[in-house]
Amino acid sequence: EVQVLESGGGLVQPGGSLRLSCAASGFTFTNYAMTWVRQTAGKGLEWVSTISGNGDDTYYADSVKGRFTISRDNSKNTLYMQMNTLRAEDTAIYYCAKGSGRATPHDYWGQGTLVTVSS
Amino acid sequence: QSVLTQPPSVSAAPGQKVTISCSGSSSNIGRNYVSWYQQLPGTAPKLLIYENNKRPSGIPDRFSGSKSGTSATLGITGLQTGDEADYYCGTWDTSPSAGVFGTGTKVTVL
Repeated sequence: EVQVLESGGGLVQPGGSLRLSCAASGFTFTNYAMTWVRQTAGKGLEWVSTISGNGDDTYYADSVKGRFTISRDNSKNTLYMQMNTLRAEDTAIYYCAKGSGRATPHDYWGQGTLVTVSS
Repeated sequence: QSVLTQPPSVSAAPGQKVTISCSGSSSNIGRNYVSWYQQLPGTAPKLLIYENNKRPSGIPDRFSGSKSGTSATLGITGLQTGDEADYYCGTWDTSPSAGVFGTGTKVTVL
């Protein structure tokens, strides 16, 4: 059974940092790109970042470029998102999703982890 | 970065049909497969349609997808109260390389 499970969310002050993790199981992790998607309260889905299966290629939304870094450890079947210089507008539920949305659809999603940026 | 345009809401009576449009451009829908996702209240999105018109295992054939040019459409027939949810289209944008989702459509069963 495929599972993706996010962790690491919480309350952080503006300008602070947070690292999200996503533990994956039930599929050959290294064969698939992985993606972070976020959703603010009552709003739509926003693509944040995608990383290729081997980690060589990364893509970012303009809204997070230069502040967020996506990475993965294929030996641990884990996806990460290092979030720096956080802003109030980064407050959202962050979902980890299997696939790139290009070559492979997002066929499995985690339950999400809430990030709140507030003083 | 671009966003795909969907109607904010659609509604119909139980048993009826609704269609949801998703409008993009030549750099996203025009060049890549479209997926559709269902998000029930308080839950994570779930894949409904991939590669424009394919259904994952377990998705009933009441749900269908199509694509033409720079637009895509999700159809739901035999509408049920359990179909009340937000629906999003999604694809990849080639220029610049980035994922992209639709603005979302709320389906209401009258």
